[in-house]
This record gives sequence, C-alpha cells and structure tokens, in this order.
Amino acid sequence: QSALTQPASVSGSPGQSITISCTGTSSDVGGYNYVSWYQQHPGKAPKLMIYGVSNRPSGVSNRFSGSKSGNTASLTISGLQAEDEADYHCSSYTSSSTYVFGTGTKVTVL
Amino acid sequence: EVQLVESGGALLQPGGSLRLSCAASGFTFSNYWMDWVRQVPGKGLVWVSRINSDGTSTSYSDSVKGRFTISRDNAKNTLYLQMNSLRAEDTAVYYCTRDFHSSQGNWGQGTLVTVSS
Repeated sequence: QSALTQPASVSGSPGQSITISCTGTSSDVGGYNYVSWYQQHPGKAPKLMIYGVSNRPSGVSNRFSGSKSGNTASLTISGLQAEDEADYHCSSYTSSSTYVFGTGTKVTVL
Repeated sequence: EVQLVESGGALLQPGGSLRLSCAASGFTFSNYWMDWVRQVPGKGLVWVSRINSDGTSTSYSDSVKGRFTISRDNAKNTLYLQMNSLRAEDTAVYYCTRDFHSSQGNWGQGTLVTVSS
C-alpha cells in the first residue's frame, strides 16, 4: 500500500487560508468516506482534526475544514494563526481493511 | 480523560523480539477498536495494525504481517504489540491509538524502538 501523496510544504501569512491536498486512489480515498486529518507539533503526538472527510471532533476550531473530490481529499485552514504551524497528515481506510497515511505536509506561517 | 501510555521501547539488534504495551484509562477499553501507528522521527506516520474490541479480529500492514502480532487484555485495559524478527527499518516511535469513527482519535505519547547492530 503506497502512502497517500501530500505536498511537502505549504505556507501562508496570518489571516490567510491555505489548503493541503491528499491524493490516493479509488481503493482508498476515492472509495470510502473515512479520510482523517491529523496535526502534529514538533515532539508531540498527532492530534485528530478531521474525521469522516469533513467532521470536526469536539474542541477543534471551525477554522479547520475538510472535503473530498474523487481520489483527492483536502484540508483547509482559514484565518491562519501562528499556532497552526505544524505538520499535517492525512489518512484513509483502504479496500484491504487497513489504513494508509499520507506523506505529511509542513505548514509554515510566514 | 482518555489516557494511553505506551511502554516497552528499547534498543535491540536485528532479528530480536520485543513486546510493546499500552495501558489505557479514562474510558471503557473493551468497547473500542485500537491501532498501532509508527513514525520514524522526522518522517510521516505509518499505520501498523488494528484489533477489534474483543480481540477476535486483527489486521496488519504488509510490512509487518507475519512478524508482528497485536493483542489485548480487556481485563487489564492493556493493548500489546509483539514484534519478532525485527529489522533496522522497524526503528520508529510506536504510538497506541483509540478508534474514533474509523479514525485514530486518541494517541499516546509514543515509545521509541531502535533496531541497530
């Protein structure tokens, strides 16, 4: 199972919106509505930000939103803040009844 | 509060074996599917294995199938990962996670496994 493809880095200025893509295949992202996104600050464990493509767990800011079109899922962060600077990872359930993560994206707030 | 605390990480030689543990608290452990996820420091996350709530169903990534075994003891609120025939490429931080709507909803702090001669 190959890792889902994410851009290595994305940057934006405070207040701007950025979007991170996560591209898979019809056997994972395109085939199921089980795409999740995780935020990870340096030296910390990942934190779930989005599940089921577009759902936010309790306590996650509504500046974070998720969507999917075909084999590509996206995470949008609006009103970018300094605290959003972190690594972001996507994940999807697969047709093999396993999970696959993305390659990870470093978000930099300029 | 949900707490997941991994332990058992170590430095060992290729071909060796190790068992990781994850002590769960703050929720009814026996109701939840659980996963192991690993991460080479500075790299991406890699899903390793999953077990259902009563331990009767498991799944593995191709890279560990046949070498790793996931299990759980619901009486002890503990998740395990038995790792055999370890390779250098198994070096990583191993995280224990709790399922949340088919995602990895809660994470432990991780335990480091280093395989090196």
